[in-house]
Amino acid sequence: GQQLNQSPQSMFIQEGEDVSMNCTSSSIFNTWLWYKQEPGEGPVLLIALYKAGELTSNGRLTAQFGITRKDSFLNISASIPSDVGIYFCAGRSGGSNYKLTFGKGTLLTVNP
Amino acid sequence: DGGITQSPKYLFRKEGQNVTLSCEQNLNHDAMYWYRQDPGQGLRLIYYSQIVNDFQKGDIAEGYSVSREKKESFPLTVTSAQKNPTAFYLCASSISGSQPQHFGDGTRLSIL
Repeated sequence: GQQLNQSPQSMFIQEGEDVSMNCTSSSIFNTWLWYKQEPGEGPVLLIALYKAGELTSNGRLTAQFGITRKDSFLNISASIPSDVGIYFCAGRSGGSNYKLTFGKGTLLTVNP
Repeated sequence: DGGITQSPKYLFRKEGQNVTLSCEQNLNHDAMYWYRQDPGQGLRLIYYSQIVNDFQKGDIAEGYSVSREKKESFPLTVTSAQKNPTAFYLCASSISGSQPQHFGDGTRLSIL
């Protein structure tokens, strides 16, 4: 089946630093999604990407759909303490396949 | 407020017991999903439903059952056949199968 490798597994950064994380797939995806999950809560959608090469921002967050369609990147600029959480990527291969494949997440800790 | 409501927040199961997790949405979404989340893991799909009175098995359906009698509701039953039920269960919905999924706040199931 499809596999997503998400890295890094965890990050410890100082407030104000920029953050980068990425996901790579063994197969092509038509949609990439990025979610953030805080303890005891469900994931919240941050950014959705639908086209190879697409670059989309949501405030301090920027995500890109890789041109090979097998990878995606999420950047967070000028991190703040409330950025703490687990960030998940998810991909969908498209067509009649409605299933999402999720990465294992990147745990982000921000030291004030 | 529009959203996805999961209940209860915490649930305990005795040996040999079936338990049912509730998921209700008032977003008028056609598609609904159940995921299981284990520590350090991505989300794994249990069942999904694209439309009322229809549902499909996901990647880990064994030991679980669902129904979709109403558009707003997609309850999940964890049967006694599921030998390792302890996990965080997440329900999601989307406008259609090809649109981004939005999540409830989860139910944490534990064994007594």
